[in-house]
Amino acid sequence: SQTIHQWPATLVQPVGSPLSLECTVEGTSNPNLYWYRQAAGRGLQLLFYSVGIGQISSEVPQNLSASRPQDRQFILSSKKLLLSDSGFYLCAWRGRGWDEQFFGPGTRLTVL
Amino acid sequence: DQQVKQNSPSLSVQEGRISILNCDYTNSMFDYFLWYKKYPAEGPTFLISISSIKDKNEDGRFTVFLNKSAKHLSLHIVPSQPGDSAVYFCAAEIQGAQKLVFGQGTRLTINP
Repeated sequence: SQTIHQWPATLVQPVGSPLSLECTVEGTSNPNLYWYRQAAGRGLQLLFYSVGIGQISSEVPQNLSASRPQDRQFILSSKKLLLSDSGFYLCAWRGRGWDEQFFGPGTRLTVL
Repeated sequence: DQQVKQNSPSLSVQEGRISILNCDYTNSMFDYFLWYKKYPAEGPTFLISISSIKDKNEDGRFTVFLNKSAKHLSLHIVPSQPGDSAVYFCAAEIQGAQKLVFGQGTRLTINP
């Protein structure tokens, strides 16, 4: 069966510090991978998605970047965090030809 | 540009009664729709979906209705149970586009 992992579960970082959130998927190959953010009281905003290694599509211009160094690994990064980067970050995957996406447990990021 | 809208931020229903969650969309190209359920500090879980070639899909206590002419879908939960208390997101996609567009979510509270 397929599983998706995200870490860390929670993170408190000062403004201006770097960020690296990691997501890995097990039990599938060549999945589509997604990064979402849920800000307080708001919906799910798609940040990045990837259909293959090294292929990244950015949905919104912002302070973040994403990379996919391996087939089942997706990384969300920032060089300098802003207060507005606080939120709940979710990684998701979808199998080829599937319609449903499946989400990881999320990372709660607080920027102080 | 909010293409998928859930106009009710919250809904309170008595246990055993029917819960009806609504979702509207503006893009007539959307042809696949999904509902997700989310508990606090967890990733959303897939609940039920419907293709635009159907107007109803049922899975146990959950039924999704699609009205294409009105660009409206709804999720019915009957009977409602305390464990149904969560935030519900509707999502839509153009099949083949590889990504979902989410609504803002509706917080459902089931009262005993």
